[in-house]
Amino acid sequence: KAGVTQTPRYLIKTRGQQVTLSCSPISGHRSVSWYQQTPGQGLQFLFEYFSETQRNKGNFPGRFSGRQFSNSRSEMNVSTLELGDSALYLCASSLQGASYGYTFGSGTRLTVV
Amino acid sequence: SQELEQSPQSLIVQEGKNLTINCTSSKTLYGLYWYKQKYGEGLIFLMMLQKGGEEKSHEKITAKLDEKKQQSSLHITASQPSHAGIYLCGADSGSARQLTFGSGTQLTVLP
Repeated sequence: KAGVTQTPRYLIKTRGQQVTLSCSPISGHRSVSWYQQTPGQGLQFLFEYFSETQRNKGNFPGRFSGRQFSNSRSEMNVSTLELGDSALYLCASSLQGASYGYTFGSGTRLTVV
Repeated sequence: SQELEQSPQSLIVQEGKNLTINCTSSKTLYGLYWYKQKYGEGLIFLMMLQKGGEEKSHEKITAKLDEKKQQSSLHITASQPSHAGIYLCGADSGSARQLTFGSGTQLTVLP
């Protein structure tokens, strides 16, 4: 079956702009999580959605937001981009949560200039 | 909040050698995950351990969970260049809704 699909693969944005990243989970998976990976901070949890509801949120500013649609696809949005937002953004899907295991996508590499 | 410490941070081994990577948690482990990552790419799922004393193997990779020590180890037997990459351990926070990750172990296997 198809894995977790993230689009776009690469993105270059200018400081102050906003960006939307997309994640299509494995068919049947209802939980979608987002993570930010940087060389300095490593992998950090952003938020998790289940059946269109945000169940958990990491310690990130309000500029980072997300949503999940009825087909479980998810988007995350970052407004007023800062240079420090440059990172690999990873999406992970699961049937219901951690105890079922997470499958990660290939990520979106965001560069803010 | 839970913290995971991985050791070593980097490892260079000759092809054919065995190696072990450790992951120690600051809190009780409810579930421990091992992933492999090639630089700049997504995480490849290796194994999930959920019970104390649990041990799982896949090909030449074995992972164990020591619940009492709040520690997990990943052992690779007869390493190959294809094993090279970054190995990450991730732990379930207990809420089953997010993973906390270690900083990773960079493995280089010399042919």
